[in-house]
Amino acid sequence: GQQLNQSPQSMFIQEGEDVSMNCTSSSIFNTWLWYKQDPGEGPVLLIALYKAGELTSNGRLTAQFGITRKDSFLNISASIPSDVGIYFCAGLSSYDKVIFGPGTSLSVIP
Amino acid sequence: GAVVSQHPSRVICKSGTSVKIECRSLDFQATTMFWYRQFPKQSLMLMATSNEGSKATYEQGVEKDKFLINHASLTLSTLTVTSAHPEDSSFYICSAPDRAVSGYTFGSGTRLTVV
Repeated sequence: GQQLNQSPQSMFIQEGEDVSMNCTSSSIFNTWLWYKQDPGEGPVLLIALYKAGELTSNGRLTAQFGITRKDSFLNISASIPSDVGIYFCAGLSSYDKVIFGPGTSLSVIP
Repeated sequence: GAVVSQHPSRVICKSGTSVKIECRSLDFQATTMFWYRQFPKQSLMLMATSNEGSKATYEQGVEKDKFLINHASLTLSTLTVTSAHPEDSSFYICSAPDRAVSGYTFGSGTRLTVV
């Protein structure tokens, strides 16, 4: 079936640093989604990408939809303590199902 | 924006009992609801898709007789974990597509602990 891989698995960064994380797939997705999940909560949508090559920003977050449609990255600039959490990439399958990657755990050291 | 209300947020039940989890779309109609399960430090795994007015479709390996799904109306979908066992302890999350915002909105999740 369709699977997503995320790297890195976890990150420990200093407050104020920029962060970059990646998501790859063995198959093509037509929509890429980036979510953040806080402990004990459901995921919250950060950015949605609908077109190959698309670069979209949401405040300090920037994400791009790879031109091969098999990858995407998420950048966070000037990290702050509340950026801590697990970031999931997700692809929308042809059956309208959202397939999640394994997640990147982000820790921000004040 | 679109909101999916999920209840209860936490439930502890005895082994062998059944637990019902509800997800309601508050300001939009959800003809489809996706149900996920998440074990600690793992990703969300799709269990099943409920469709209003028809039978739910289950992912491979998910027991349909154990995880009963009902989508009674355009705003309510329920997941019932029947004869729960400790290995069913997990975080269950629902999600609905909101066409108005071209996104997928998630409930806040239900932490199920079976003792």
